[in-house]
Amino acid sequence: EIVLTQSPGTLSLSPGERATLSCRASQSVSNNFLAWFQQKPGQAPRLLIYGASSRATGISDRFSGSGSGTDFTLTISRLEPEDFAVYFCQQYGRSPWTFGQGSKVEIK
Amino acid sequence: QVLLQESGPGLVKPSETLSLTCSVSGGSIRNGTFYWSWIRQPAAGGLQYVGRIFPRGGTNYNPSLQSRVSISLDASKNHFSLKLTSVTVADSAFYFCGRVTTVVIGGLITPSYFDSWGPGTLVTVSS
Repeated sequence: EIVLTQSPGTLSLSPGERATLSCRASQSVSNNFLAWFQQKPGQAPRLLIYGASSRATGISDRFSGSGSGTDFTLTISRLEPEDFAVYFCQQYGRSPWTFGQGSKVEIK
Repeated sequence: QVLLQESGPGLVKPSETLSLTCSVSGGSIRNGTFYWSWIRQPAAGGLQYVGRIFPRGGTNYNPSLQSRVSISLDASKNHFSLKLTSVTVADSAFYFCGRVTTVVIGGLITPSYFDSWGPGTLVTVSS
């Protein structure tokens, strides 16, 4: 199975700063079938990005995804208070679908 | 807007069968452009794909669970279900149901990304 490794584990930033999260795959992700989710305590994950770089419906343009093959990045251009959460990447290009272990963006 | 809602026992004894249902509203589960899926998340852990089902037939399961898991669909009730047999404490987790979009690649309907999730339900395995 494809192992997704996210870094950093925790990112401490202030509102207004830029967040850059990495997701590295153990094998190339077919068709760049990679998604990013945001999860807050007690809630289900919320889709942010699919196809590595396409924003989901209703998602702010502060969120952007990039990358291909084995290296992917989620960027949050200017952190708003509601952006402090855990972020997961997920590949759906090859079964079994797998998730990264998550990166927490916390308030500094 | 489609809504998904998980339901089922919150407590299951070791060695017994975990059974959950995901009720879908705001859209027909018969819609042949979506797959329906289960994902789980231990209380302090990451997310794990459990499996998926396609209304036109066909299931796919995580190989790590394949010998114990089955997913079925009841179009008349507009819901789909998960059964996990011989549970242990390691199966304690939040269980989410999700809808999966599709794309056509090479003339084949191919599952794509999760676009909707239920709120999740906590299942604890304990005697």
